[in-house]
Amino acid sequence: AQSVTQPDIHITVSEGASLELRCNYSYGATPYLFWYVQSPGQGLQLLLKYFSGDTLVQGIKGFEAEFKRSQSSFNLRKPSVHWSDAAEYFCAVERGGSYIPTFGRGTSLIVHP
Amino acid sequence: DTGVSQDPRHKITKRGQNVTFRCDPISEHNRLYWYRQTLGQGPEFLTYFQNEAQLEKSRLLSDRFSAERPKGSFSTLEIQRTEQGDSAMYLCASSLDRGRNEQFFGPGTRLTVL
Repeated sequence: AQSVTQPDIHITVSEGASLELRCNYSYGATPYLFWYVQSPGQGLQLLLKYFSGDTLVQGIKGFEAEFKRSQSSFNLRKPSVHWSDAAEYFCAVERGGSYIPTFGRGTSLIVHP
Repeated sequence: DTGVSQDPRHKITKRGQNVTFRCDPISEHNRLYWYRQTLGQGPEFLTYFQNEAQLEKSRLLSDRFSAERPKGSFSTLEIQRTEQGDSAMYLCASSLDRGRNEQFFGPGTRLTVL
């Protein structure tokens, strides 16, 4: 079975600083990978996804992620964080064709002014 | 608003009572999912429907839980004889049944069992 590890429970950055959120997955074949964001009182919103092809994926709100098969990682990055990016971020892996993602426990992003 | 809606948004109940939650997916979406999210954790898959057929259920879905989607539109999730461990956020999502389509999530129903 697939699994996802998000090693950082909380990350604190200053507004305007760069951001990297870590995600490691465990799955035998090439996985489908996702990053979601959850703001208080809101549903999860998909930031970006990787199925195949170019390993650097661009998403919404200025986020990108890079799939590194050798490291079983799919880290999320943003060059300059805005205060509105403060939220909970979830990495997810899906066994190809199952349509059922397995989520990590999430990383809470705190943005200081 | 054409997003996924859930009702109620909050539910407080006493242990042993039955509760029912409703999810209205995006109108043209024929896949519908239920997840449970506890504090400090990511969502955990419970079950999903394609149209009115319930295609997969997680081992998390005990006998006290039942989900329906009678006409392939809205869905209900019922928990019978609630326990304190059922306290969680229950999330609904929907997607198109066409290739690798994005799941759109509702805001969730927060259940507190006293």
